This record gives sequence, C-alpha cells and structure tokens, in this order.
Amino acid sequence: AQSVTQLGSHVSVSEGALVLLRCNYSSSVPPYLFWYVQYPNQGLQLLLKYTSAATLVKGINGFEAEFKKSETSFHLTKPSAHMSDAAEYFCAVSEEAGGFKTIFGAGTRLFVKA
Amino acid sequence: NAGVTQTPKFRVLKTGQSMTLLCAQDMNHEYMYWYRQDPGMGLRLIHYSVGEGTTAKGEVPDGYNVSRLKKQNFLLGLESAAPSQTSVYFCASSYGLTDNYGYTFGSGTRLTVV
Repeated sequence: AQSVTQLGSHVSVSEGALVLLRCNYSSSVPPYLFWYVQYPNQGLQLLLKYTSAATLVKGINGFEAEFKKSETSFHLTKPSAHMSDAAEYFCAVSEEAGGFKTIFGAGTRLFVKA
Repeated sequence: NAGVTQTPKFRVLKTGQSMTLLCAQDMNHEYMYWYRQDPGMGLRLIHYSVGEGTTAKGEVPDGYNVSRLKKQNFLLGLESAAPSQTSVYFCASSYGLTDNYGYTFGSGTRLTVV
C-alpha cells in the first residue's frame, strides 16, 4: 500500500534562504509524485509532478524536486525563499494500479521571515 | 477560464440539517473527486467519479452521498449533518484516473456544523 510522509508540520526560513520541504513515500510500484501548494483560503495548486520522465523536476515559482528511488524521497527545494512563498505545501503519491489511489501527505506550512 | 467552481464558499448548519455542495468544472475532465481537509490530516478522499453517471467510495464516505448526473457537475450531499463533518471541503477534477496529470482544485467550501 502506498503512503506519504512529510517531515515537519511547520518550517520557518528567512527571506533569501534555501527552502527544503521533505517528503518520503512508500509504493509497491513506480509511483507518480506531486507537490501542491495551498495559499490561505484557496484550493490546492499543482506545483510540479514526477511521472518517470526525469528525476529532477522543475515546477512553477522556482521550485524543483528530485526523485530519489534509493531513498524513496521527493523533497521540494527552492534556492531563495520569497515572502510570497509562505503557504502550505502538500506532497502526494499515486499509483497506476487497478483502481484509483492518490494519497496526500499531512502538509507542511512554510513561514518566511523578513 | 473558470476551472473548478464550488458553491457555496461558506455554510453553517445545525446538527441534523441537510445540504448539498455543488462542484462544476469546465475543462471536460472525466474524473472528479470530493475531499475533506482537517488540520494535521491532509486531504482525505470522500467519494469520486470516473465519468458521468458513476460514483465510488473513497477513504471516508460515511455520512455523505454524491451524484454525477452531468459530466461537468459533481454534487456532495450531507443528509443529516453532524459536528464531525465540520471541515473544509474541496472538489477536484482530472483528465486521467492514474492522476499523472495532477488535479485541478476548487477554492473550497468551509462548513461548520453546530
């Protein structure tokens, strides 16, 4: 059965600092992996997705994530945080199995300090 | 380009009352989903639909019913609301069952049951 774990419910960084949000997954088959962002009082927006084409995936707003099969990880990074990056971020895993399965992590709230 | 539209945005119900949440998408997506979001629990799937006239149970279906009479609409019903159903409800849609395209989310309905 697939699952996803996001390490840290809250992460705080200074403006201009590196952003690193951690996501580990478990899956019995090659997974599809996603990062979504949720701004206050809004729905989730797709940031980026991994679908086996390339291990380093670039998304919107300068974010990227690297799929590491050996570590079963899909961490989200951004070299330099901006105040507008403050939001909640969700990692999600999906399997191309016989039925529908998409699991979302519990979310990590990113705070950006001036 | 509206994407996914949810109505209403806010609602307060008394215990035992009923209501219907409406989700409409204009992207010709086959697949639609209802999630609930609770603090620290991420998103949990309530029901989903793989096409017009079809529905299926997700992770937490009890107390909810759904209908997909038209491809563009997906309705979520609460027959007898309970305080445990206080949550933020999100509708989403996608092209593919395997989710490799990612989801498009609505902006949510904040429901309080008193």
